[in-house]
Amino acid sequence: GEDVEQSLFLSVREGDSSVINCTYTDSSSTYLYWYKQEPGAGLQLLTYIFSNMDMKQDQRLTVLLNKKDKHLSLRIADTQTGDSAIYFCAESRTTDSWGKLQFGAGTQVVVTP
Amino acid sequence: DTGVSQNPRHKITKRGQNVTFRCDPISEHNRLYWYRQTLGQGPEFLTYFQNEAQLEKSRLLSDRFSAERPKGSFSTLEIQRTEQGDSAMYLCASSSHPSPPNQPQHFGDGTRLSIL
Repeated sequence: GEDVEQSLFLSVREGDSSVINCTYTDSSSTYLYWYKQEPGAGLQLLTYIFSNMDMKQDQRLTVLLNKKDKHLSLRIADTQTGDSAIYFCAESRTTDSWGKLQFGAGTQVVVTP
Repeated sequence: DTGVSQNPRHKITKRGQNVTFRCDPISEHNRLYWYRQTLGQGPEFLTYFQNEAQLEKSRLLSDRFSAERPKGSFSTLEIQRTEQGDSAMYLCASSSHPSPPNQPQHFGDGTRLSIL
């Protein structure tokens, strides 16, 4: 089973905010990442957060980390149709010194006009 | 920075044939990873190189799979005697070691393998 869990689907209206949630189980996780995948393409790194941080903002993206609950979220402000894609949460653990990423199954985000 | 390049983008082959994929990482990156992604799932780790040394292999990597990175630059992933279950997207990623926060793994566009 997945060590990283995400909701499978999110529908949002253009211009609204999207919030994608992720939970992870390994408390030794160091970095937590959000990647975006469009149909037929590879993964595009969106943002990441170090586990000693609570929040990181990068233009329209805000990452919130609740380490106590092992919960990570990605908020996309002013969602656009180009934001329609699958979003993956991934963790990199201190026990994996070579940086192996453990991914969730992905959240499909559909933006409607 | 030209990004991670993978070839071919698509490969269709008959069951039982051998296939080989190539990955060219970002030039200054010394770490190279292979992942496999099946439909509706996130990528799963297969193997990892630091320079030319293959340092870890997942149990997903059966004996039919072999990966090389002979000169510490590009890498190849070969699958022998392909099976239906090998149909997937094969993703390559690269990063630097040591890996500071601003240099996480960057992925290529993948090779999609379809077994007939």
